Amino acid sequence: DAKTTQPNSMESNEEEPVHLPCNHSTISGTDYIHWYRQLPSQGPEYVIHGLTSNVNNRMASLAIAEDRKSSTLILHRATLRDAAVYYCILSASGAGSYQLTFGKGTKLSVIP
Amino acid sequence: EPEVTQTPSHQVTQMGQEVILRCVPISNHLYFYWYRQILGQKVEFLVSFYNNEISEKSEIFDDQFSVERPDGSNFTLKIRSTKLEDSAMYFCASSPTGEGTNSPLHFGNGTRLTVT
Repeated sequence: DAKTTQPNSMESNEEEPVHLPCNHSTISGTDYIHWYRQLPSQGPEYVIHGLTSNVNNRMASLAIAEDRKSSTLILHRATLRDAAVYYCILSASGAGSYQLTFGKGTKLSVIP
Repeated sequence: EPEVTQTPSHQVTQMGQEVILRCVPISNHLYFYWYRQILGQKVEFLVSFYNNEISEKSEIFDDQFSVERPDGSNFTLKIRSTKLEDSAMYFCASSPTGEGTNSPLHFGNGTRLTVT
């Protein structure tokens, strides 16, 4: 699997926007970019995913660089509930099931 | 919103004993997965399951592990003879048909397995 690089940790003030970066310089043309997060003592939770274009959903936005070698997860207004480990993961498109390879992720702390 | 549910939330077993971890995936999902997370470490893929057979498995998923979908709703992970190093959080996940679209995985909140 193509590798991703994320900062170990980041801090944000509550109600401020947060930009979580991810580098994936060896991404292939068919790799999707996924973001999951894991709140303390819970299972991973899907946040957003995309292939080439920027994506928005109710949780976050995903900005993908034009060369696709990096992406940024944007939380528009951080809340205390957003404190979690955020994982940027690549997976190849294709039929059927696929495995996610989790790295260490970015631990986001939200300061009240 | 539909959820993946896992039981029990915590299982304590003695080394060498068999253990079965249970999961109820989201009802219209077709792909099922088990992952595990040893305390303080990364989430690791174990196995994926589709159409009543294993699709992919990792090196961790050796002959001590097996999966089964015994009826239309449950998905189980069995560890035949537990070892101390099997102590971990085990997460079940499911996804709808995902051909070519990388449908999101929906994870349960896990079963904490403690082997003593």
